[in-house]
Amino acid sequence: DAGITQSPRHKVTETGTPVTLRCHQTENHRYMYWYRQDPGHGLRLIHYSYGVKDTDKGEVSDGYSVSRSKTEDFLLTLESATSSQTSVYFCAISITGQERTSANTGELFFGEGSRLTVL
Amino acid sequence: QKEVEQDPGPLSVPEGAIVSLNCTYSNSAFQYFMWYRQYSRKGPELLMYTYSSGNKEDGRFTAQVDKSSKYISLFIRDSQPSDSATYLCAIIQGAQKLVFGQGTRLTINP
Repeated sequence: DAGITQSPRHKVTETGTPVTLRCHQTENHRYMYWYRQDPGHGLRLIHYSYGVKDTDKGEVSDGYSVSRSKTEDFLLTLESATSSQTSVYFCAISITGQERTSANTGELFFGEGSRLTVL
Repeated sequence: QKEVEQDPGPLSVPEGAIVSLNCTYSNSAFQYFMWYRQYSRKGPELLMYTYSSGNKEDGRFTAQVDKSSKYISLFIRDSQPSDSATYLCAIIQGAQKLVFGQGTRLTINP
């Protein structure tokens, strides 16, 4: 158990409203990621973070912003939600350390997902 | 062209069959190749990873990389209903970023 919690798990909102999804980890890992998953597209990287206040864009970052003010929390914000952002959002972390390195294994640990519906 | 391409299926086979799942990738520089398994309404979990080319076996699962054709495969022997899931291939693209294929939904019928 990598200790990843996503909230909310389900949300329905209307077009034009702001939405923030939260990812919380309990083990102080450096790298955190936000992916979205849609039928026919698999998992696509939105943004990732490699430390407090250090973030970068992924493949589908338009319309999304992120913040990481504490190691344990990585927030994904939709400033003005659109129907095209209806999706399942997954947070993930990678592991570094002496015995186990995600860079060597490609192992990310994923949260349970947040299902967002924009009407 | 996407870095990794995967046939989304769906794929349905009888219990006990051998399953073959495949992906192609675009950049010959990729070295690490992964297969993730995702059960319905859950996050993906790493199933297997391979480095460079060749085969890697873990129980009923075999991951194979053919770098000459840029082709990666996952074979499941003696498939079980509990293997029913979506399988995603992935590569590492610098700075610990993973790029995933579209995922193949697999159903094993009892």
